[in-house]
Amino acid sequence: DIVMTQSPLSLPVTPGEPASISCRSSQGLLHSNGYNYFDWYLQKPGQPPQLLIYWGSNRASGVSDRFSGSGSGTDFTLKISRVEAEDVGVYYCMQALQTPITFGQGTRLEIK
Amino acid sequence: QITLKESGLTLMKPTQTLTLTCTFSGFSLSTSGVGVGWIRQPPGKALEWLGIIYWDDERRYSPSLKSRLTITKDTSKNQVVLTMTNMDPVDTATYYCAHKVTGMPFDYWGQGTLVTVSS
Repeated sequence: DIVMTQSPLSLPVTPGEPASISCRSSQGLLHSNGYNYFDWYLQKPGQPPQLLIYWGSNRASGVSDRFSGSGSGTDFTLKISRVEAEDVGVYYCMQALQTPITFGQGTRLEIK
Repeated sequence: QITLKESGLTLMKPTQTLTLTCTFSGFSLSTSGVGVGWIRQPPGKALEWLGIIYWDDERRYSPSLKSRLTITKDTSKNQVVLTMTNMDPVDTATYYCAHKVTGMPFDYWGQGTLVTVSS
């Protein structure tokens, strides 16, 4: 199985400040078609996860441009340019290059 | 507009068999590349992928749960059914179904249903 490791696991952030979350996979996630099969999700309190970023760097429809994804292979980063109160929740990375599909442990973002 | 909704018994006793139905709209499971996956989340814990079924009836399961899981589809009813045998208290979790296309992420999720296993 591909193991996904996120850091940090807890992220207190002051509103208006930037934030960054890292995710490392135990195997490369680059498909032969040139895409990294790697996604970021945000789970707000009491809600199902929502897609933020797919293929490592593509924002999903309706996602604020404050969110950006980067990375390739085994190392990926999610950046929030200016954190807002509505960004609170748990962020998960996920790989779908091979089954079993696996998720990271989650990073809990809270407002200071 | 794509929507999914999970339904089924939410309180179970150990050793019983769980049956959850995902009823969806806005897409067809007979369309090439389309799939419906199941993901669960124990209270306060991370997401765990259980399995997925695709338009061509290809099924993939989590190796750790494969012996207990069955996923089937009824294309005419726009439903996918998850069956998990021999339920245990550690299987207490919110169970989600989600839409996926081959090579793409889980882009639409149901609201989830909390299944509690207790004697």
